[in-house]
Amino acid sequence: QVQLVQSGAEVKKPGASVKVSCKASGYTFTSYDINWVRQATGQGLEWMGWMNPNSGNTGYAQKFQGRVTITRNISISTAYMEVSSLRSEDTAVYYCARGVVGYSSDYYYYFYMDVWGKGTTVTVSS
Amino acid sequence: QSVLTQPPSVSAAPGQKVTISCSGSSSNIGNNYVSWYQQIPGTAPKLLIYDNNKRPSGIPDRFSGSKSGTSATLGITGLQTGDEADYYCGTWDSSLSAYVFGTGTKVTVL
Repeated sequence: QVQLVQSGAEVKKPGASVKVSCKASGYTFTSYDINWVRQATGQGLEWMGWMNPNSGNTGYAQKFQGRVTITRNISISTAYMEVSSLRSEDTAVYYCARGVVGYSSDYYYYFYMDVWGKGTTVTVSS
Repeated sequence: QSVLTQPPSVSAAPGQKVTISCSGSSSNIGNNYVSWYQQIPGTAPKLLIYDNNKRPSGIPDRFSGSKSGTSATLGITGLQTGDEADYYCGTWDSSLSAYVFGTGTKVTVL
């Protein structure tokens, strides 16, 4: 079955970096985008960025540009999301999600996330 | 703060219907398709509706989506206790060049 399996929980100190992995299975890794979404405790969903695994092209929410890097290793169907200069406000659950994007016949842009990983808890604490 | 506004909470008795609104602008809902996600506490979000009104395989037809102008609506009929969750709308924002989620709505079954 189609699934995304994420790496385990991380505890980091302020100023450090964290790299979370997301291994895809059950489909062709290069045929769909990978997105990263985070959620702080008791808060809503926050989209961080996307990557096209085929081209390696990426896009980031303005808030995360320069501090978040999304990469991939096609040979093992795995995407990575690294956050640098961690601060306490980065404490959250981080999700990867498969993205489906394109233009409809009536020229509307569609973009949705149809398969989600279970999430990786990242705790930033001194 | 999110550019898509949802009511914080809605509630109804089992078997009843609820609707959740999602208000945006021409740069997001007005010119792009909307999707909806269900998140049961402690679990990952799940795609409920995509392309404004389509349901993925396995999603019951009790869930429906619609869009008009710069607003979208999720409807849930025949409410069940298992529907208690947080619901988020989402769409691409062409001005921000980013995907945006709504503020989220908690559904309570009385």
